Amino acid sequence: DVKVTQSSRYLVKRTGEKVFLECVQDMDHENMFWYRQDPGLGLRLIYFSYDVKMKEKGDIPEGYSVSREKKERFSLILESASTNQTSMYLCASSFSPGLEQYFGPGTRLTVT
Amino acid sequence: AQSVSQHNHHVILSEAASLELGCNYSYGGTVNLFWYVQYPGQHLQLLLKYFSGDPLVKGIKGFEAEFIKSKFSFNLRKPSVQWSDTAEYFCAGYNTDKLIFGTGTRLQVFP
Repeated sequence: DVKVTQSSRYLVKRTGEKVFLECVQDMDHENMFWYRQDPGLGLRLIYFSYDVKMKEKGDIPEGYSVSREKKERFSLILESASTNQTSMYLCASSFSPGLEQYFGPGTRLTVT
Repeated sequence: AQSVSQHNHHVILSEAASLELGCNYSYGGTVNLFWYVQYPGQHLQLLLKYFSGDPLVKGIKGFEAEFIKSKFSFNLRKPSVQWSDTAEYFCAGYNTDKLIFGTGTRLQVFP
């Protein structure tokens, strides 16, 4: 079974703080993704990576950056958290582009 | 712009009722289509997928979906829902380089 784990289920941060969200997958997948999930908006892609050290912007990259130093780990960074970044953040991985993605449990981030 | 749309935002059913959730995609060419489910407090899980071949695909927990190319649709069906099917359902389509999700349908099933 593919397992995607995220470092925290719940996180509360203050405006302006730097926030790190970590994601690890154990299936040697090449592809990893970060989404945010908001009610009524579905899942929106923030960043994705098809290989180590490689990253591509998704649909809503503003205010975020990512890091992929190892194949199994993909980090999402909020350089200076703002209240409009309060959301559920989901990490996913897949063996190949176009194939099904496997999701982690999500991190519910609240920025106050 | 490429998009995936789900017609029903909130569906309320009684147990044993039949279910059909609509999904349409806006792009042509090769389409890989998925339905995901998110049960309360749980992570997103794959229900079923379509890549090619038989347009009627069966997934887990008695769900099925039919790909109709002429209608750009991939509707999800279940003949008889259970209370445990209460969840949020997302349709998604892969095109070019990324997965595009619909906005989701919240299904509530009452005993």
